[in-house]
Amino acid sequence: AQSVSQHNHHVILSEAASLELGCNYSYGGTVNLFWYVQYPGQHLQLLLKYFSGDPLVKGIKGFEAEFIKSKFSFNLRKPSVQWSDTAEYFCAVTLYNQGGKLIFGQGTELSVKP
Amino acid sequence: DAGVIQSPRHEVTEMGQEVTLRCKPISGHNSLFWYRQTMMRGLELLIYFNNNVPIDDSGMPEDRFSAKMPNASFSTLKIQPSEPRDSAVYFCASRPQGLEQFFGPGTRLTVL
Repeated sequence: AQSVSQHNHHVILSEAASLELGCNYSYGGTVNLFWYVQYPGQHLQLLLKYFSGDPLVKGIKGFEAEFIKSKFSFNLRKPSVQWSDTAEYFCAVTLYNQGGKLIFGQGTELSVKP
Repeated sequence: DAGVIQSPRHEVTEMGQEVTLRCKPISGHNSLFWYRQTMMRGLELLIYFNNNVPIDDSGMPEDRFSAKMPNASFSTLKIQPSEPRDSAVYFCASRPQGLEQFFGPGTRLTVL
């Protein structure tokens, strides 16, 4: 079955540190890729998405992600995190011809120390 | 636009009671999704609709769960009878043709 794997369950960083969250998916066909963020007590918000074209995608709040098709990966990066980035981050995939349903990874909880 | 609207935001009920969760998608979106979020299982798709028609309900846990979308602006997720293991946050999301999903604020359900 198709799945999405996020490598880190909980990441703790100090402010200004660089961030990279790993995401791999298992599906050989065409995919659309997403990163969503869930701030404490809030709903999921889209950070960025990849549908086609440039594999380096820039999103909101200084986040970016790179789609590496050969590695089935879509890692999220930010050069300098802030305390306000404390949240849970979800990688998700939709499969071509599957009606747009999202398959989510387990999520990575990011804690940024001030 | 007000975004996806869900009600209630919080629901506490006793085991065996019927629970109905409601969702109003963003106007013009033709797909609607119901997800459940728990600590143990993360985010799981329960069911989704395209143009008010259920397309994939393979994620619905069992017959106690049912979902309807009588029109383009309203959907319900019903649990009857409810059980403590149904306690979770239930999210509704909607999507315009071919684009990303927009999530509602969720309903936090507690079954005692």
